[in-house]
Amino acid sequence: KAGVTQTPRYLIKTRGQQVTLSCSPISGHRSVSWYQQTPGQGLQFLFEYFSETQRNKGNFPGRFSGRQFSNSRSEMNVSTLELGDSALYLCASSLALQGNYGYTFGSGTRLTVV
Amino acid sequence: AQSVTQPDIHITVSEGASLELRCNYSYGATPYLFWYVQSPGQGLQLLLKYFSGDTLVQGIKGFEAEFKRSQSSFNLRKPSVHWSDAAEYFCAVGGTGTASKLTFGTGTRLQVTL
Repeated sequence: KAGVTQTPRYLIKTRGQQVTLSCSPISGHRSVSWYQQTPGQGLQFLFEYFSETQRNKGNFPGRFSGRQFSNSRSEMNVSTLELGDSALYLCASSLALQGNYGYTFGSGTRLTVV
Repeated sequence: AQSVTQPDIHITVSEGASLELRCNYSYGATPYLFWYVQSPGQGLQLLLKYFSGDTLVQGIKGFEAEFKRSQSSFNLRKPSVHWSDAAEYFCAVGGTGTASKLTFGTGTRLQVTL
């Protein structure tokens, strides 16, 4: 059974640009969440999608957005990149919105903004 | 609001010694609790989870954790540590529905000496 797949693994972008990250969940999983991990702030929740609808949102500016497709694959977009957006972005999938199913994480996308 | 405290930033143990990593949580209802492990440059791997029932939970790689409601704790233990256990360990709390997002602690970095 394939795990959670995130692409690309590494990205280098220039300040002011925008970026799109992709996440393919485990087959059959309908919930996809995104987290940002930085040395200073640790792991912070960005948003969660279930059945193509955003169900949960963290405290990030509107520059961070996401979407989910009918096949449960998800993308997140960051516009007008800032140096502080450099981070490891992790995607996690779950069977449902209920927390007791647990979450399986991908290996992440390392974004560097220069 | 839910929160997790991991009081130990860094722990060093000798190979073969026992290990206990501390985790305290704050959550308004019955929490869903998780321990994840992260190797450098990698995503998060689920070690174990607690939803209800038996308060002693067994996980992968010989890890176990005990849920103590009275102390709001969910400490991770392993009787004999292997050099390959060196990594960063994260405790997380989650709920259901709109509260299903995971809130992570700041992590404990485990170093294993030979």
